[in-house]
Amino acid sequence: QKEVEQDPGPLSVPEGAIVSLNCTYSNSAFQYFMWYRQYSRKGPELLMYTYSSGNKEDGRFTAQVDKSSKYISLFIRDSQPSDSATYLCAMRAYGGATNKLIFGTGTLLAVQP
Amino acid sequence: DGGITQSPKYLFRKEGQNVTLSCEQNLNHDAMYWYRQDPGQGLRLIYYSQIVNDFQKGDIAEGYSVSREKKESFPLTVTSAQKNPTAFYLCASKKSRTGGLNEQYFGPGTRLTVT
Repeated sequence: QKEVEQDPGPLSVPEGAIVSLNCTYSNSAFQYFMWYRQYSRKGPELLMYTYSSGNKEDGRFTAQVDKSSKYISLFIRDSQPSDSATYLCAMRAYGGATNKLIFGTGTLLAVQP
Repeated sequence: DGGITQSPKYLFRKEGQNVTLSCEQNLNHDAMYWYRQDPGQGLRLIYYSQIVNDFQKGDIAEGYSVSREKKESFPLTVTSAQKNPTAFYLCASKKSRTGGLNEQYFGPGTRLTVT
């Protein structure tokens, strides 16, 4: 079983829809949770990060962490065609020599105009 | 204009040749990382360096080598010993080599094709 599971999609939605992207994980030591957005043939860009449980909002994006269920989500409101990309979740434990990030495989999102 | 640069964007090599991928950052970040990305497998860590003149193997280091002679630079050599080198290679850097709420920032990537 992978440490981080993410549905690869593709997920296709109409413009203006609310998008929900999710990851589950198995390591209860994970404390930091991130979402990266990756456009085709580009490097990932950090979109959101949260520490421990709770919600964090930034414009149209909301990240949620439920540590009791080992489940994280990214919501995109009023989705735009420019949101079409692969979304990668990533997480790591606190401290440690490597601060090693564990990535999901990514969900491909297509927002149709 | 701070950032991470990787060159070249596309690289083609014949099987059996070593090839070096460049990664430079002007963010004054301490730690640097190399990942490869393959379809359906996410990002896998090859090597990382937390400080100049020091680096450690990641999860898939076999067939790769690195150096960290300068803080700004972390080149990756893909050797002929790497069994399946065709992939998208990503370099990342991070401000601090310890914990805290600062995370990795990625370069634009190099797509290597070996035939």
